[in-house]
Amino acid sequence: EAAVTQSPRNKVAVTGGKVTLSCNQTNNHNNMYWYRQDTGHGLRLIHYSYGAGSTEKGDIPDGYKASRPSQENFSLILELATPSQTSVYFCASGEGTAGTQYFGPGTRLLVL
Amino acid sequence: GDQVEQSPSALSLHEGTGSALRCNFTTTMRAVQWFQQNSRGSLINLFYLASGTKENGRLKSTFNSKESYSTLHIRDAQLEDSGTYFCAAVSTGYQNFYFGKGTSLTVIP
Repeated sequence: EAAVTQSPRNKVAVTGGKVTLSCNQTNNHNNMYWYRQDTGHGLRLIHYSYGAGSTEKGDIPDGYKASRPSQENFSLILELATPSQTSVYFCASGEGTAGTQYFGPGTRLLVL
Repeated sequence: GDQVEQSPSALSLHEGTGSALRCNFTTTMRAVQWFQQNSRGSLINLFYLASGTKENGRLKSTFNSKESYSTLHIRDAQLEDSGTYFCAAVSTGYQNFYFGKGTSLTVIP
C-alpha cells in the first residue's frame, strides 16, 4: 500500500505568520498534489508537481507557494497566513498522469 | 459550475441494506476514483476506473464515460461503512481530478 505522510498533523498559526506544511511519499510517484478541504466544497487543488523541481498552480493557488526539492518531498508554504486559510490540508501522490491518487492523513491548520 | 455533482448529499441505511451513490459529470471524463473518508478524516481509496465495472467485497463501482456518470453500490451495509464518500474525476485534455462534494452515509444499527 502507498505511503504518504504529512507533518505537522495539527498546527495553530497567527495571522501574518509563515506556515510550512510538509509531505513525504515513499511510492516513487512523480506526481504530488496539495488540496484543502472545507465544509461544502469537497477537496480543492492548490498546487501540484510533476517531479523534483517542478511546481504548478492548481485551482486555488492564491496565498500559497509550493516547493518540490526531491522526488519524495513536497511542501506547501503560506508566507502570510490569514484566517481564511484555516482548513484541513491533504497531500497526495499519484501514479502517472491522471492515475490513482494516494492521500496522506491530513493536516489541520488553524490561523488565529 | 461544478464539474462533478454527487447525489444524494446524505443517506441513512439500516445495517444489512444497500443503496447506490451517484456522480454525474458536466464534461467528458476519462477516469474516476472513489474514496471513503472515515471518522478519523482519512481518505481511503476504494476504486479507480477508466471504464467498466469493478467489484470489491460489498462494494461495486461503474463508470460510464459516454453517459457521463459513475455509481458506487453498497450492499449489506455495516456500521463501519459510515463516513463520507467522494468521487473524483479527470476530464479529457486535463490531468487533475475534480472532486464532488461528497455523500455522507450513516449506517444505523
